[in-house]
Amino acid sequence: NAGVTQTPKFRVLKTGQSMTLLCAQDMNHEYMYWYRQDPGMGLRLIHYSVGEGTTAKGEVPDGYNVSRLKKQNFLLGLESAAPSQTSVYFCASSSGGGGSYEQYFGPGTRLTVT
Amino acid sequence: KQEVTQIPAALSVPEGENLVLNCSFTDSAIYNLQWFRQDPGKGLTSLLLIQSSQREQTSGRLNASLDKSSGRSTLYIAASQPGDSATYLCAVRVGQAGTALIFGKGTTLSVSS
Repeated sequence: NAGVTQTPKFRVLKTGQSMTLLCAQDMNHEYMYWYRQDPGMGLRLIHYSVGEGTTAKGEVPDGYNVSRLKKQNFLLGLESAAPSQTSVYFCASSSGGGGSYEQYFGPGTRLTVT
Repeated sequence: KQEVTQIPAALSVPEGENLVLNCSFTDSAIYNLQWFRQDPGKGLTSLLLIQSSQREQTSGRLNASLDKSSGRSTLYIAASQPGDSATYLCAVRVGQAGTALIFGKGTTLSVSS
């Protein structure tokens, strides 16, 4: 039982490049989330999903897109990276529908955009 | 808009001390509150989750309390150890199913031997 895993762990992009971050969970959780963590700002929600095929915007969605084609996977895409997207990205998942909604986090992806 | 504040931002204590970390939130209409630990360069580890109907939760040397009416939670760490050194984050869930957590900025704890 690996919990929540994220790939890659580190990435350096040039401004304007694109990339996709992959999150996978093996706990059969309905809900999945993408957060970013910046110094002095805390963790902020980018997008989330309440089930396969569904996504919704969070607090800071601009510049990002997401997809949830399979229940266990949640992808975060940057179409045209900007230096302001330099951050640590965390994926999380939780149960729903009568569960505790306790969120479990992945180890993070450190992204630098130059 | 819900805001979560953690005081102090940093705390240094000698090994063996009992200590309290504070978390406050502006809107008492929460569904639950979670305390996390984050080690430098690592992800978040869930320590305790308190449902809105509960007053406290305990796990080993950790005890978390919740007072919804006053918008406060405390994390009590007994007999602190150097291995407890980390950043502790408090987060509240305020919405319907699937909505995310709103985080405080954390308290960075350093326990010296």
